[in-house]
Amino acid sequence: TQLLEQSPQFLSIQEGENLTVYCNSSSVFSSLQWYRQEPGEGPVLLVTVVTGGEVKKLKRLTFQFGDARKDSSLHITAAQPGDTGLYLCAGARSNDYKLSFGAGTTVTVRA
Amino acid sequence: DAGVTQSPTHLIKTRGQQVTLRCSPKSGHDTVSWYQQALGQGPQFIFQYYEEEERQRGNFPDRFSGHQFPNYSSELNVNALLLGDSALYLCASTTGIGHTEAFFGQGTRLTVV
Repeated sequence: TQLLEQSPQFLSIQEGENLTVYCNSSSVFSSLQWYRQEPGEGPVLLVTVVTGGEVKKLKRLTFQFGDARKDSSLHITAAQPGDTGLYLCAGARSNDYKLSFGAGTTVTVRA
Repeated sequence: DAGVTQSPTHLIKTRGQQVTLRCSPKSGHDTVSWYQQALGQGPQFIFQYYEEEERQRGNFPDRFSGHQFPNYSSELNVNALLLGDSALYLCASTTGIGHTEAFFGQGTRLTVV
């Protein structure tokens, strides 16, 4: 079983619409990261959140870390076709050096 | 500033063979981790190397082994390949073993036939 559960698994929307991807766990994380991955490429780091309740904005992307540091969300405003990709959340726990990844959310933005 | 580089990008091997994948970390990074990503899945942690030693290992059999060199580059070796080893193998580098903001290479696509 995955330590981090992502939902939805697939998301297809029209250009200009908004979308939210969720990342949930029963474990507490010291930090959580969001990546975007294109087919055949490695994941590219979008953001790292470390404080419970933290909100970070990156242009049209808003990332939130839950107060209890067990969950996170990614919200995209006015999605564009260039936002298409696999979005992965990954968490690091205290005294654990590895990243635990969710299974990913495949986002398709139609022009 | 060179990012994480991996070689080769694609590889086809026969069941039972052995394979070696290579990774050069991002400039200034000294810790290398390897992940396996099966189709449609998130990356799964294989192991991490720091100061030329394996510091942490995921749930992978002993057929998977690695090495880190004094220049921080790393190799992943897989023996007795199985069809199920077909995946994208990703290398990630970080600064120091306690830091988790990882930068990934483009990966090596391994196909076992």
